[in-house]
Amino acid sequence: QVQLQESGPGLVKPSQTLSLTCTVSGGSISSAGYYWTWIRQHPGKGLEWIAHIYYSGSTYYNPSLKSRVTISVDTSKNQFSLKLSSVTAADTAVYYCAAAYYSDSGGYVDYWGQGTLVTVSS
Amino acid sequence: DIQMTQSPSSLSASVGDRVTITCRASQSISNYLNWYQQKAGKAPKLLIFAASSLQTGVPSRFSGSGSGTDFTLTISSLQPEDFASYYCQQSYSTPWTFGQGTKVEIK
Repeated sequence: QVQLQESGPGLVKPSQTLSLTCTVSGGSISSAGYYWTWIRQHPGKGLEWIAHIYYSGSTYYNPSLKSRVTISVDTSKNQFSLKLSSVTAADTAVYYCAAAYYSDSGGYVDYWGQGTLVTVSS
Repeated sequence: DIQMTQSPSSLSASVGDRVTITCRASQSISNYLNWYQQKAGKAPKLLIFAASSLQTGVPSRFSGSGSGTDFTLTISSLQPEDFASYYCQQSYSTPWTFGQGTKVEIK
């Protein structure tokens, strides 16, 4: 059973960079077909896909955030990370790391981290 | 981006009721449509993938249908543990997009 755990600061100052890491356990981040994913949820709102990364390093970004987002993977540590620069209060959200599986049936998230609330405030 | 529109945004139902939630895509997405359930303070949980395939371990009272632009999630007999929010999500193209959610409340 794959488990994911987010870690990182819960409070970030405006204009700074939000940095989160997701540690994967119970499975390999190099597993074929799995794309490692960040999704966020603004308080009381819906879900927003941020980015995917494959273990090989291929990346896919939401164009609405692409200029500020970097996703990376560290296969030696079984971790992947998110950096979001120049944050504002609008980036306050619960950030989820997740494992998305792609097959002939399309892609879907079958494993989620518990989520971590990141607040942007001075 | 492909826009996903769910209806209704919320509904009130009783235990044992049949509940139907619809999701419409702004363009054809074939069957690349998933449904998730989210309870308060928890991460979403995958219920249905590829429009109609039941995720392992999900009760059979949940079912999904549709293709192209129109999709449906049905709960055949609502149980107390089903009161939650439900989201559709398309994986036809990136950026993946979600519906705005449907909150199922106790009547």
